[in-house]
Amino acid sequence: AQSVTQLDSHVSVSEGTPVLLRCNYSSSYSPSLFWYVQHPNKGLQLLLKYTSAATLVKGINGFEAEFKKSETSFHLTKPSAHMSDAAEYFCVVLTTDSWGKLQFGAGTQVVVTP
Amino acid sequence: KAGVTQTPRYLIKTRGQQVTLSCSPISGHRSVSWYQQTPGQGLQFLFEYFSETQRNKGNFPGRFSGRQFSNSRSEMNVSTLELGDSALYLCASSFGLNTGELFFGEGSRLTVL
Repeated sequence: AQSVTQLDSHVSVSEGTPVLLRCNYSSSYSPSLFWYVQHPNKGLQLLLKYTSAATLVKGINGFEAEFKKSETSFHLTKPSAHMSDAAEYFCVVLTTDSWGKLQFGAGTQVVVTP
Repeated sequence: KAGVTQTPRYLIKTRGQQVTLSCSPISGHRSVSWYQQTPGQGLQFLFEYFSETQRNKGNFPGRFSGRQFSNSRSEMNVSTLELGDSALYLCASSFGLNTGELFFGEGSRLTVL
């Protein structure tokens, strides 16, 4: 069965510094991976997706993620954090069993300080 | 294009009552999924509907049920409410099945007293 592990439950960064959110996955197959963001009192929004095309995936709001099969990782990065990036981020894998369900990671809460 | 709309946004119920939540997907989307979000358990998949048929189901008791109508709108119902059912219930729609690209509503926050 496929699963994802987000290695940090909380990340605190200063505005203007890089952001790194770590995600490892387990899958017997070539997975489809996603990052979603949830701002306070809002639903989730898709940031980016990997579906076995380019290993470096660019998303919205300046985020990108790199798929590394050898490390089973799909880390999310942004060169320069903005105050509006404060939110919870979820790494997600699309399972291949039972018609395909999304398996969500536990989430990483990002705090951005001025 | 209107987004996913969930009603009501907030509601308070007491133990033993039942509740019905509604979700209107993005126009043209035929798949609707429901998730429960709590601080302790995170995001948990409830069920997914496509063309009025339940296609997938998570590990929740039978008190949790849902349906989808011919216009793709969906409802979920929780009967005999328990304190542990207090959560944010999120609905998401997508054009097809197994895309992973979901569009979420802002959720219905249920508090059970």
